[in-house]
Amino acid sequence: GDSVTQMEGPVTLSEEAFLTINCTYTATGYPSLFWYVQYPGEGLQLLLKATKADDKGSNKGFEATYRKETTSFHLEKGSVQVSDSAVYFCALSDGTTGTASKLTFGTGTRLQVTL
Amino acid sequence: NAGVTQTPKFQVLKTGQSMTLQCAQDMNHNSMYWYRQDPGMGLRLIYYSASEGTTDKGEVPNGYNVSRLNKREFSLRLESAAPSQTSVYFCASRADSQPQHFGDGTRLSIL
Repeated sequence: GDSVTQMEGPVTLSEEAFLTINCTYTATGYPSLFWYVQYPGEGLQLLLKATKADDKGSNKGFEATYRKETTSFHLEKGSVQVSDSAVYFCALSDGTTGTASKLTFGTGTRLQVTL
Repeated sequence: NAGVTQTPKFQVLKTGQSMTLQCAQDMNHNSMYWYRQDPGMGLRLIYYSASEGTTDKGEVPNGYNVSRLNKREFSLRLESAAPSQTSVYFCASRADSQPQHFGDGTRLSIL
């Protein structure tokens, strides 16, 4: 079945440091890929997405490129802020049509940004 | 602009008690989902509903039942709660070909 593997956390960075959170996937067909962010005590919010190979999703300074050849969707940000502290989830959609498309999530990576 | 609303936000139950978690969305989405979130395991799909009147099992359905009451509402029921069901439960909804939108979660503890 489909699966998503993310790097273990927590990741602790100083403000303005460069961020990379690795994500690789296993899937049949042509999944869409997502990054969701969860702030403390809240639900998940969509951060960015990519629906086909070589697409780059971007939002709020974060970006990730859908790499089919390496089955990866790594999250990057050039300069993190304290307000980016959260848990980040990589996910894939099974891409089925005509029925509810289901998400498979990675285990999440906690990011802590300090001053 | 409510989005996906879950009630209650917190609940403590005793083993063997029953409970229904409520979820409502005001975005006219066809599909709705229930997940549980446990430390180190990400989110796992319990049940989902592709449209009003249909429900299907996800990855971890044992011990749960669901009802898609109408297009807006999708409830999750624990008939006889067990400590292993202590978790944070998230409801989500989705329009066709769009990403899922999540509620803020229900934190459930079973003693």
